[in-house]
Amino acid sequence: EAGVTQFPSHSVIEKGQTVTLRCDPISGHDNLYWYRRVMGKEIKFLLHFVKESKQDESGMPNNRFLAERTGGTYSTLKVQPAELEDSGVYFCASSPLASGARPRYNEQFFGPGTRLTVL
Amino acid sequence: AQSVAQPEDQVNVAEGNPLTVKCTYSVSGNPYLFWYVQYPNRGLQFLLKYITGDNLVKGSYGFEAEFNKSQTSFHLKKPSALVSDSALYFCAVRPVYTGKLIFGQGTTLQVKP
Repeated sequence: EAGVTQFPSHSVIEKGQTVTLRCDPISGHDNLYWYRRVMGKEIKFLLHFVKESKQDESGMPNNRFLAERTGGTYSTLKVQPAELEDSGVYFCASSPLASGARPRYNEQFFGPGTRLTVL
Repeated sequence: AQSVAQPEDQVNVAEGNPLTVKCTYSVSGNPYLFWYVQYPNRGLQFLLKYITGDNLVKGSYGFEAEFNKSQTSFHLKKPSALVSDSALYFCAVRPVYTGKLIFGQGTTLQVKP
């Protein structure tokens, strides 16, 4: 079974440019999460999709960040315009939807991350 | 504010010795607790979790973690370290009724031969 994949693995852009990150979750996983780790600090939550709906976007830093998950499959995270402080590693994770047979505390499966450098 | 603390940036141990990576948390209620490991150029891999029950949970690669409710701690342990255990370890907490994980800042484990 394929794991969570992210594209690109690295991106170097200049301040003011636009970048779009993509995440493909594990097939059948309705929960999709975005996280970010900036400069050796803790990994911080950005937002959570359940299928195509935003369940929680409390971690999105500002309106320069736009996440979408059309059709409830893959997701994109667009940063426009990028600023220096947006540099970091962006992780995507997925998990199955909780149900009677699947508990709420399933672990999340993480992708390898996209390293974004804004110059 | 809800938070997770990993007080050590780096832990150094000799191969064959026991290791402990510390984690404490400040989250209301009875959260779910996790440890993840990140090897170079790889994503985070799940190691183990505590939901309820026995305070000592066992996970992948011989790791275990001890939950202490009174100290709000969830320390990662292994009786005998291997050089291949060298990696970056993250403690994470999932508050009840939310899907998001709250992470600590990570601890680099260095196991020397």
